Order: sequence, then C-alpha cells, then structure tokens
Amino acid sequence: DAGVIQSPRHEVTEMGQEVTLRCKPISGHDYLFWYRQTMMRGLELLIYFNNNVPIDDSGMPEDRFSAKMPNASFSTLKIQPSEPRDSAVYFCASSLRLGTYEQYFGPGTRLTVT
Amino acid sequence: SQQGEEDPQALSIQEGENATMNCSYKTSINNLQWYRQNSGRGLVHLILIRSNEREKHSGRLRVTLDTSKKSSSLLITASRAADTASYFCATGDGSGNTGKLIFGQGTTLQVKP
Repeated sequence: DAGVIQSPRHEVTEMGQEVTLRCKPISGHDYLFWYRQTMMRGLELLIYFNNNVPIDDSGMPEDRFSAKMPNASFSTLKIQPSEPRDSAVYFCASSLRLGTYEQYFGPGTRLTVT
Repeated sequence: SQQGEEDPQALSIQEGENATMNCSYKTSINNLQWYRQNSGRGLVHLILIRSNEREKHSGRLRVTLDTSKKSSSLLITASRAADTASYFCATGDGSGNTGKLIFGQGTTLQVKP
C-alpha cells in the first residue's frame, strides 16, 4: 500500500481565499483523522471519521473549517475564508480500528496564508 | 488541550550514547504510544504500551509506563545520526472507546555524528 496520501503538499494562498486539502487513507482503514500542527499549539486533532461518518469535530476551530468524507477512500478539509492564522501543517491519518491501534500519518500539507 | 507533556523539550547527544525522553499525562489512559517525526515529514508510529504493561522493547527502543505516576519514558540505546527527529508521546483515552489520541509537544532529539 502507498500509505496515506495527501495533496497538495504545499499551498500558498491569499487571505480570504478558499482552501481545500485532500486525503486518501489506507485502504481498509475504518478511521480517518485530520490534525493541525503549529509551533505554538503543537499537534491538534481537528476531526475524525468512522466509516465515513464524522464522530468528533470538537477540535474544528471555527465555522470556517469543514470536513467531508464522501466515501471510504477520500476526505477533504476545507477552509473558507482562509486567514493568516490558519497557516500550519495539516496532517491526515488513518487507523484500522479504535483505541489501541496505531495511526498512520500522511506527509502533510504545508499551508501558508498571506 | 495537551494531555502528554514531554521532557526535555530538546536533547543533544553524541552518536552511540543513549537518549531518554519522558512523558507525563493527566488523566487515565488505555494505552500510550510513541511517534517519531523527521523534519518535514508525517509522524511514524514507534511503539505502543498498554495500561497494564510496565515495560516494552522494540529493537533499540525501550518504553516504560508508570500509571501510578502517570508517566512514561522512551529510551533509545546506541543512538545514530538517523535517530535525529522529534519524538511525541500520545495517549488514548481511558475507555479505549474513542479513536482520539492526544499528543504532547514533543522532544527534539539531535544526534551528532
């Protein structure tokens, strides 16, 4: 398996623009996670899905952020409108099961909002 | 909110030396995991220790868990330059019923050749 795939790897956009980040989890994994990593706040869980259904979105910072998982092999994280404070590295991860199972991370998308 | 707190924040050692990193957490856990992150990359799972285990080994890695003190340590023996990375502990919730892992701020390890 190719592992978790994320695109784009880098995104530079202007404040106010819409940004869409994409993720393809490992085939057969039931859980998909979106994280954000910054120097100030570390690694934060934004939202996670189980079998394409959002389970916990309490980490989503604002209504400007939304995530979808239309099928088992694809998820998007959208920011509209983007702001400079959204600049961060966004990771997608997937896991086979709950609890004691490891999470497999993608390479991340480095987002810069100017 | 952060559950795990790593100590030290940064560590610099010579190749061949051992590196020890510590993690403290606040609430009850089902398991504790350690991940490595190389610069510009995603996190990679290293080892998992369950709440009923006290010690676990994997190659040059040794993890201990003390649930009474709510702490864990990661020991890397005979370090190599390739071990240079950030190391994070992550805790799963006590019930094990959620998929959530809470990550600490990480320890940045530099191994000098």
